[in-house]
Amino acid sequence: AQKITQTQPGMFVQEKEAVTLDCTYDTSDQSYGLFWYKQPSSGEMIFLIYQGSYDEQNATEGRYSLNFQKARKSANLVISASQLGDSAMYFCAMRESNGGTSYGKLTFGQGTILTVHP
Amino acid sequence: EAGVVQSPRYKIIEKKQPVAFWCNPISGHNTLYWYRQNLGQGPELLIRYENEEAVDDSQLPKDRFSAERLKGVDSTLKIQPAELGDSAVYLCASSLTAGVYNEQFFGPGTRLTVL
Repeated sequence: AQKITQTQPGMFVQEKEAVTLDCTYDTSDQSYGLFWYKQPSSGEMIFLIYQGSYDEQNATEGRYSLNFQKARKSANLVISASQLGDSAMYFCAMRESNGGTSYGKLTFGQGTILTVHP
Repeated sequence: EAGVVQSPRYKIIEKKQPVAFWCNPISGHNTLYWYRQNLGQGPELLIRYENEEAVDDSQLPKDRFSAERLKGVDSTLKIQPAELGDSAVYLCASSLTAGVYNEQFFGPGTRLTVL
């Protein structure tokens, strides 16, 4: 079973509007972290925002916010006031706290390509 | 503060040839990761180091892939011999520790093309 599911292969948004990128996850751990990364065409993975499983408030970082619904196991990324430079691939990832050798490993979703239109 | 450095950025080789990738993590980061990213997919972990010890190499194809992290700093990932299916971007990342809440910082990656 997929641990991270991003159901939107591609999304389009008009400049200055808000957009939500979906992410659902599957884990039996109580302690885990959820991350969003941006990957522009240059290839580098750029960290955007982080949400811990015990955090009661949704994370925010500038124009990025994470809509964390723990019971539904979803961690959607909201980008407000989209800019042309936001056009990129966006990955949702999870880090679990299970013991053993897989501790610390980031598991990524398939990604969503966001295109911002002027 | 310098980020994660990788070289080369691009490499084109013929199948059956060897290839090596180099990574210099952020200073002070004990944990180093190598990921492989196939076209249109998310990165997948190949190997994780805690200092100089490889603590998770379960996804590393050990018949042709090898890695080392000398003195717990720089790391090298090698493929010998390369196959067509190895064409991908190889990403190196580092973090202070492997803890759940520690952000992983990624390098720019090495794009490998095997002809």
